[in-house]
Amino acid sequence: SQTIHQWPATLVQPVGSPLSLECTVEGTSNPNLYWYRQAAGRGLQLLFYSVGIGQISSEVPQNLSASRPQDRQFILSSKKLLLSDSGFYLCACTDRVGEQFFGPGTRLTVL
Amino acid sequence: GESVGLHLPTLSVQEGDNSIINCAYSNSASDYFIWYKQESGKGPQFIIDIRSNMDKRQGQRVTVLLNKTVKHLSLQIAATQPGDSAVYFCAEPRVGSGSARQLTFGSGTQLTVLP
Repeated sequence: SQTIHQWPATLVQPVGSPLSLECTVEGTSNPNLYWYRQAAGRGLQLLFYSVGIGQISSEVPQNLSASRPQDRQFILSSKKLLLSDSGFYLCACTDRVGEQFFGPGTRLTVL
Repeated sequence: GESVGLHLPTLSVQEGDNSIINCAYSNSASDYFIWYKQESGKGPQFIIDIRSNMDKRQGQRVTVLLNKTVKHLSLQIAATQPGDSAVYFCAEPRVGSGSARQLTFGSGTQLTVLP
């Protein structure tokens, strides 16, 4: 079965600083990969998804970008963080059956 | 627009009692739903799913019921335990470009198990 790794687990960054969150997947090949953001006490909002290397689809306009340099690597980035970028960021992948699995998440606080 | 996962925000139950968590959706064409459990500070964990050709599906201590007539589904947890305390989401996948299955989540229900 697949395993999703995310790092860092927690991050505190000043406004205006850059961001790079990494997600890697083990135990599957050619997965669909997803980045979600979850605000405190809220549901998950889909930010980006990718069906293959170099293929990124954005769900909502925002201050963030995503890249997929390798089949099982998905990166979430920002050039300049905003206060509103604070949240819990979750990486997910879909297996061959279509079931979606989530990583442990990264808690980002922008001060 | 279409929505899914209209939950009551909180539910408190006594340990050992059964829990029922409800979810409503608006898209009558929806044909597949998933329930997730999210413990504090962790990612959501798949619990059980159900397709629209079924009205009931059972797992270990959990049962999901789907009522397509009123566009409602529920998650029942038998003999609720302290470890069941978490936020529960129902989610509906939709297929985006390529074969990407995107999940639409509601805000979830916080289940608290009382001793």
